[in-house]
Amino acid sequence: EDKVVQSPLSLVVHEGDTVTLNCSYEVTNFRSLLWYKQEKKAPTFLFMLTSSGIEKKSGRLSSILDKKELSSILNITATQTGDSAIYLCAVDPTGANNLFFGTGTRLTVIP
Amino acid sequence: DVKVTQSSRYLVKRTGEKVFLECVQDMDHENMFWYRQDPGLGLRLIYFSYDVKMKEKGDIPEGYSVSREKKERFSLILESASTNQTSMYLCASSSPHPGSDGNTIYFGEGSWLTVV
Repeated sequence: EDKVVQSPLSLVVHEGDTVTLNCSYEVTNFRSLLWYKQEKKAPTFLFMLTSSGIEKKSGRLSSILDKKELSSILNITATQTGDSAIYLCAVDPTGANNLFFGTGTRLTVIP
Repeated sequence: DVKVTQSSRYLVKRTGEKVFLECVQDMDHENMFWYRQDPGLGLRLIYFSYDVKMKEKGDIPEGYSVSREKKERFSLILESASTNQTSMYLCASSSPHPGSDGNTIYFGEGSWLTVV
């Protein structure tokens, strides 16, 4: 059975801390892995990763895929209260956008 | 900008009622999806559709049905709502061609359904 597992389930940090969120997957087929940020509304797209070892970066956020370890990490440096959200990892097994989602990691950044 | 609109944001329904959740997208996407999101369980796929009048079951289709009569509209139907269907429902549409940011999937704002 295909599955995506995220850890930790929740995390509380202070502003300025650096955090690393983990996503591991077991799927029959793999085309891409996606990260989303969800506040109290629609998930917003962060990154799509298809190739192992290539870091994607957007401001203080970065992510990398390790196909050998079947995992990905999302790093957030110098966290701010606005980073508080649920971070969702999803795998697209076929390229048809029929995603398997993890349970999400709830990040809380306190001032 | 792609827009996926879920017309009902917050609903309260009684057990046994029939519930319609509507989703409309404005980007001529072929693919549309309905997920439910529950704490500790993440997003789980209920149904999806790759074309008009076409539907496929996702991971948790029991108790739900869908309708796709027009390309832009994908409706989720709860024939007889039950309390275990209290949840947040997310609609999404997707394109096979990534946008400039690499994204292919666009979500609606969510519909919070409470069944009492």
